[in-house]
Amino acid sequence: AQSVTQPDIHITVSEGASLELRCNYSYGATPYLFWYVQSPGQGLQLLLKYFSGDTLVQGIKGFEAEFKRSQSSFNLRKPSVHWSDAAEYFCAVGAGLDYKLSFGAGTTVTVRA
Amino acid sequence: DVKVTQSSRYLVKRTGEKVFLECVQDMDHENMFWYRQDPGLGLRLIYFSYDVKMKEKGDIPEGYSVSREKKERFSLILESASTNQTSMYLCASKSPGSNEKLFFGSGTQLSVL
Repeated sequence: AQSVTQPDIHITVSEGASLELRCNYSYGATPYLFWYVQSPGQGLQLLLKYFSGDTLVQGIKGFEAEFKRSQSSFNLRKPSVHWSDAAEYFCAVGAGLDYKLSFGAGTTVTVRA
Repeated sequence: DVKVTQSSRYLVKRTGEKVFLECVQDMDHENMFWYRQDPGLGLRLIYFSYDVKMKEKGDIPEGYSVSREKKERFSLILESASTNQTSMYLCASKSPGSNEKLFFGSGTQLSVL
């Protein structure tokens, strides 16, 4: 069965600083990997996804993620954080395009001025 | 842009009541999903539907059922609500094609007293 671990429950970062959110997955074959963001009171929005090909994936809002098969990781990064990036971030893994995704517990990002 | 609408933002029900959570999407998507979101647990899939009158159990279907009589509407039913079903419920639909992704509603926060 597939699963996702997000080791960091909460991260605080200064505005303008870089951000990295960790995601480790467990799945036997090539996974389909996703990062979603949930702003307060909002539904989830897809930031980026990885199915195959280039292991460095660019997403919306200046985010990128790198798939590392050897480490079973799909970490999310942003070079310079804006106050509007304060939200909860979810990593998800799927076995295929049927989108029966398994989500991590989420990482809450706080941005301080 | 795709719109996924959940009929209620907040709902308070009593133990034993039958509860209906409604979700409507406006883009003729075939695939729709119901998740529940709990702190520290992320999102867990309850049920999903590939087409009208077709449904499949997710990871935590116990205590829930679903109905998909029309393509645009996917209803989640709590046959006899219990306090452990107090949660945030998120509906999603999946776009087809090469740019497929999940679109989420804003969620229904259900409290069962």
